[in-house]
Amino acid sequence: AQTVTQSQPEMSVQEAETVTLSCTYDTSESDYYLFWYKQPPSRQMILVIRQEAYKQQNATENRFSVNFQKAAKSFSLKISDSQLGDAAMYFCAYRNQGGSEKLVFGKGTKLTVNP
Amino acid sequence: GAVVSQHPSRVICKSGTSVKIECRSLDFQATTMFWYRQFPKQSLMLMATSNEGSKATYEQGVEKDKFLINHASLTLSTLTVTSAHPEDSSFYICSAARTVSSYEQYFGPGTRLTVT
Repeated sequence: AQTVTQSQPEMSVQEAETVTLSCTYDTSESDYYLFWYKQPPSRQMILVIRQEAYKQQNATENRFSVNFQKAAKSFSLKISDSQLGDAAMYFCAYRNQGGSEKLVFGKGTKLTVNP
Repeated sequence: GAVVSQHPSRVICKSGTSVKIECRSLDFQATTMFWYRQFPKQSLMLMATSNEGSKATYEQGVEKDKFLINHASLTLSTLTVTSAHPEDSSFYICSAARTVSSYEQYFGPGTRLTVT
């Protein structure tokens, strides 16, 4: 079974600075998807960014980018120019490619943004 | 687009009673819906996967007779917690996918269940 590990229970960053959240995963599959979700205090899960395993290029969405290292099974999230609204729980998730495949979540990292 | 709603957002029920939580995809049809449970300061744990018109597939350790899931239409799935007990108190989140093979799930805002 696939597993996702987030080794940082909590992280903090100064407003306007950059922070990187770590995620590693374990799988024997070659085709899969990786995601970062944000869960603010409202508890609404929000997709931040997605990476397809077959793509070598790292995904980028505005201030959010990933460092995808397939061989190392690592998928870190970099948040640039951090804003107060970035404060939330961040969950890394994995999904096999194919039908009816479920998301496997890591335990999450709580990000605090200091003004 | 891709909005998912849940109703109610909060519910308090007495021990031994049943409570139903609705999950609706408002602007798209969802062939597959997922139900998650989240305890405080913990991650999301998948409870079951339901495909429209089919019986739900439950994760190991989830009592299917206690957590009844119905996915009778392409826009509505319901989770009924039967004979609720205080240990069932939790945050329940649903998500919806357009098709069985869709990689993206759209999440509802969650339902806080408190059993007294």
